[in-house]
Amino acid sequence: DTGVSQDPRHKITKRGQNVTFRCDPISEHNRLYWYRQTLGQGPEFLTYFQNEAQLEKSRLLSDRFSAERPKGSFSTLEIQRTEQGDSAMYLCASSLIRDRLYNEQFFGPGTRLTVL
Amino acid sequence: GQNIDQPTEMTATEGAIVQINCTYQTSGFNGLFWYQQHAGEAPTFLSYNVLDGLEEKGRFSSFLSRSKGYSYLLLKELQMKDSASYLCAVNNAGNMLTFGGGTRLMVKP
Repeated sequence: DTGVSQDPRHKITKRGQNVTFRCDPISEHNRLYWYRQTLGQGPEFLTYFQNEAQLEKSRLLSDRFSAERPKGSFSTLEIQRTEQGDSAMYLCASSLIRDRLYNEQFFGPGTRLTVL
Repeated sequence: GQNIDQPTEMTATEGAIVQINCTYQTSGFNGLFWYQQHAGEAPTFLSYNVLDGLEEKGRFSSFLSRSKGYSYLLLKELQMKDSASYLCAVNNAGNMLTFGGGTRLMVKP
């Protein structure tokens, strides 16, 4: 399978615990994005990487959230001291930016986080 | 700021045609995407418009008017499997996608 993969697919945790999610993008894609999606809403941008550089972070991304893409391949998203409001689907997407006009993003299946 | 509006829900009958509208106000514009998302699944790419006009791809067509900040997705010969959410997303000047809230389409027999 050469699509975007995410692990785990589901995570249930207690409030206050830390969680880490992993995303493996399509291999030649230079951009990697993290989104959060709640029920009935569209994906909300959290952050993105071009290769290993984190270029932008949303103001939605509090200091409890951190993301890395150490070698420009897979990425991790960590949430520290989880809160019930963090419960959502966390989507990863990747794209290959060749020119400024086209940015088709390919999405992974997501990690559904439930904070009890 | 970024603002993308689309209807929350629509209902249509199997075999019919439905048009899902999207209006946008964004800082910069480098094209508009439509994605389909079935419940519990990842969004999948449907169409891309960067110039004004209609792009047709099988049963799905997408239209763009940049001067009006307006797009629509047209679905013909609706099938039950078309029941899903349809997401409008604008690619802004920084090559970032901003998504609307999605339109949940229910196709009834």
